[in-house]
Amino acid sequence: NAGVTQTPKFQVLKTGQSMTLQCAQDMNHEYMSWYRQDPGMGLRLIHYSVGAGITDQGEVPNGYNVSRSTTEDFPLRLLSAAPSQTSVYFCASSYSGNQPQHFGDGTRLSIL
Amino acid sequence: AQSVAQPEDQVNVAEGNPLTVKCTYSVSGNPYLFWYVQYPNRGLQFLLKYITGDNLVKGSYGFEAEFNKSQTSFHLKKPSALVSDSALYFCAVRDEAAGNKLTFGGGTRVLVKP
Repeated sequence: NAGVTQTPKFQVLKTGQSMTLQCAQDMNHEYMSWYRQDPGMGLRLIHYSVGAGITDQGEVPNGYNVSRSTTEDFPLRLLSAAPSQTSVYFCASSYSGNQPQHFGDGTRLSIL
Repeated sequence: AQSVAQPEDQVNVAEGNPLTVKCTYSVSGNPYLFWYVQYPNRGLQFLLKYITGDNLVKGSYGFEAEFNKSQTSFHLKKPSALVSDSALYFCAVRDEAAGNKLTFGGGTRVLVKP
């Protein structure tokens, strides 16, 4: 039981490049979320999903895209990277919105 | 809109002394409240939650939190802090009336000195 797995752990991009951050969970959780963590700002919700085929926007969705084709996977796409997207990105999953979220170890992304 | 405030950026405490990390929240419906801890270069780990029931909630590693509806607070406490409790602590709230979004506070760094 691996929990929530995020890849890659580190990535450096140039402005304008696109990439996909991968997130997979093996706990059969319906609820998955993407957050970004910036110093002094806690975690901010980017997008979330309450089940396969269902996604919704969080607090800071601009510049990011998600899809949920399976229960296990919830990739986050950066469409055209900008320096303001330099951050640590966390994926999390839970059985429902009332249950504790399980977090991956994060992807540290730098945009030059 | 739901919100969470952690008024202290850092809390310093001597090992063996009581530890308190403050959290206040704002919601329009009933709150679901959570505390998480983050160690360096790791994701967040769940400590405890309040959904309903007893206002004093006990969680992992000897931590507890008290839900106070009138003061809209959910402070995290530990009677006797350990050096290993040094970490970043986050309070989070979900408004029952606002769907499935979880809102986090800015975090409080705890430093426990030997």
